[in-house]
Amino acid sequence: KNEVEQSPQNLTAQEGEFITINCSYSVGISALHWLQQHPGGGIVSLFMLSSGKKKHGRLIATINIQEKHSSLHITASHPRDSAVYICAASPKYAGGTSYGKLTFGQGTILTVHP
Amino acid sequence: ETGVTQTPRHLVMGMTNKKSLKCEQHLGHNAMYWYKQSAKKPLELMFVYNFKEQTENNSVPSRFSPECPNSSHLFLHLHTLQPEDSALYLCASSHKFGGGTDTQYFGPGTRLTVL
Repeated sequence: KNEVEQSPQNLTAQEGEFITINCSYSVGISALHWLQQHPGGGIVSLFMLSSGKKKHGRLIATINIQEKHSSLHITASHPRDSAVYICAASPKYAGGTSYGKLTFGQGTILTVHP
Repeated sequence: ETGVTQTPRHLVMGMTNKKSLKCEQHLGHNAMYWYKQSAKKPLELMFVYNFKEQTENNSVPSRFSPECPNSSHLFLHLHTLQPEDSALYLCASSHKFGGGTDTQYFGPGTRLTVL
């Protein structure tokens, strides 16, 4: 079982729909990342969070440290949001140092139809 | 455009060839990373360099040989690869080591096919 699990693996939506992607992790973390990967391969960092909630445009990321769970929400989805969304955890090792090592989920393939 | 460039973008090589992947970052970052992304598998960290010193080798076979001559450049030298090494190879950088708590900036990747 991967230390970082995402659901769903595939998600199809109609333009305008509210979208939620979930991420659960089994390790103590110093930070949780949400990344976006478009066809062609390039990856863009969307959020890095260690508590609470962050918002950027139509994207909202939340995290519940006690439940080891994070969600990525997209409001008013658009076809250009179609991409793979990846959750990555930065494990907290003994001493509180993360050593820069991210553990990645398998990704959620999002397709938004017009 | 993230400020991290990779060349070539596509590479096809035979199992007996030797080739190199290049990564360059123009962000003034001190840490650089190589990742491998195979079909249907999560991203895997291969190597981490901090101030040109290798700090992580994630049990990568010796047919992959990294080189970091300075904080702006990172190479991945390839020799006698296997078809299962075909994957997208991504380079990333972050301002400081301990990049788990620092945003990582990714290059566009090199799509490698080993015949």
